[in-house]
Order: sequence, then C-alpha cells, then structure tokens
Amino acid sequence: GQNIDQPTEMTATEGAIVQINCTYQTSGFNGLFWYQQHAGEAPTFLSYNVLDGLEEKGRFSSFLSRSKGYSYLLLKELQMKDSASYLCAVMDSNYQLIWGAGTKLIIKP
Amino acid sequence: DTGVSQNPRHKITKRGQNVTFRCDPISEHNRLYWYRQTLGQGPEFLTYFQNEAQLEKSRLLSDRFSAERPKGSFSTLEIQRTEQGDSAMYLCASSSWTGGDNEQYFGPGTRLTVT
Repeated sequence: GQNIDQPTEMTATEGAIVQINCTYQTSGFNGLFWYQQHAGEAPTFLSYNVLDGLEEKGRFSSFLSRSKGYSYLLLKELQMKDSASYLCAVMDSNYQLIWGAGTKLIIKP
Repeated sequence: DTGVSQNPRHKITKRGQNVTFRCDPISEHNRLYWYRQTLGQGPEFLTYFQNEAQLEKSRLLSDRFSAERPKGSFSTLEIQRTEQGDSAMYLCASSSWTGGDNEQYFGPGTRLTVT
C-alpha cells in the first residue's frame, strides 16, 4: 500500500527554527511536494523536490532523500503567520498525488 | 487574478438531496482534479480530468458521485442522495500537465454540510 507519515502536531517559538519530517512508501516516485494550509483555506504550494538534496526558498527549505523515502521541511525565523498545517504529498508512478494527513504547526510568542 | 474558482463556497443541504458544485480552473491548465478533505486529514483524491477526458476515479468513490468536464474547461461534481458522511470540504485543483513539475493550484473549496 501507499503511505505518507508526518507528525500530527508540532509547537515552536516565534523566531526559532522548526523541522517537519515526512516519510513515504509509494508505488513509484515522481517528486515530493510540500503545501501550506491555513485553517479553513485551500492548500498553497511551498516546494517541490525530485532529486536528492536541499532546495532553499527564502525562510523555507525542503530536503529529499529518495533512498530513505524521507523529506523534511525546514522553517526559519518563525513568524506567527506560519501557524498552519503543512502537508507532504508524493507524486506516484501514475502521476497522482498521495497526501499525508498534515502537520499542524503551532507558533507561540 | 485568474486563479481557480469554486462555487458555491458553502452549501448546507438535507440528507437525501442532490448537490452540484462547479470548478473553473486556470484557463491554460489541461488537468483538473477533485479532492475531498475532512478536518485533520490531507486531501483525498476523488477524480481527475485531462482536458474533457476523465482519466481516473477513486475506487473509494461511490456511484452517487459523478463529475463532468464537458468542454475541457469548467467541471462539475454532483453528489446524489447526500448522506451525513458526505460532509466535507470539496477542493478543486488544476495543473498544466508537462510530465515533470506538476504543481497543482487549488481553489478555495466548497464546504458541504449535510444535515
């Protein structure tokens, strides 16, 4: 079966750094996506990794290890507006997105 | 802004009634997806279209659900004889299929409440 695992909830302090992990087992791999979703809103795209390594985009970075079936999203200089759910999704061999349940990130002042 | 739009944004209906939702994708996108999402869960795939062709439908989708994209532009999702378990956020997304970086752009969703 296909499976995406990520922590249910994490708490971090404003200004700090947080790493959200995602492990996956899918039938094929055509890239891994991270989306941000604020409560009651639609998901918005953050990053895409298809090759191993780190992709940096401003305060957000995403890492991928295909051999380990592992990715993480790194958020630096946390702001209160970063409080949201972060969804990990893998594109399988049929180019369909398989979604994790999301990690709810709570930022405290 | 010509992003993905969905109508209505909210729908309250009584059990047993039929409902229809509409999605207008980004105009140059050829792929359109429908997802369902409940609280605390990621989006659950329902079906997708490439142009007007419905290429895949989730095996979890009952025959009460049907979707169309008649001219390869907007799409409709109909749920017949709604049940309380159908209460969820229904999300539409579109993408430009190139075989590589296929970022999906989501609409604001339609929140369905079945009473």
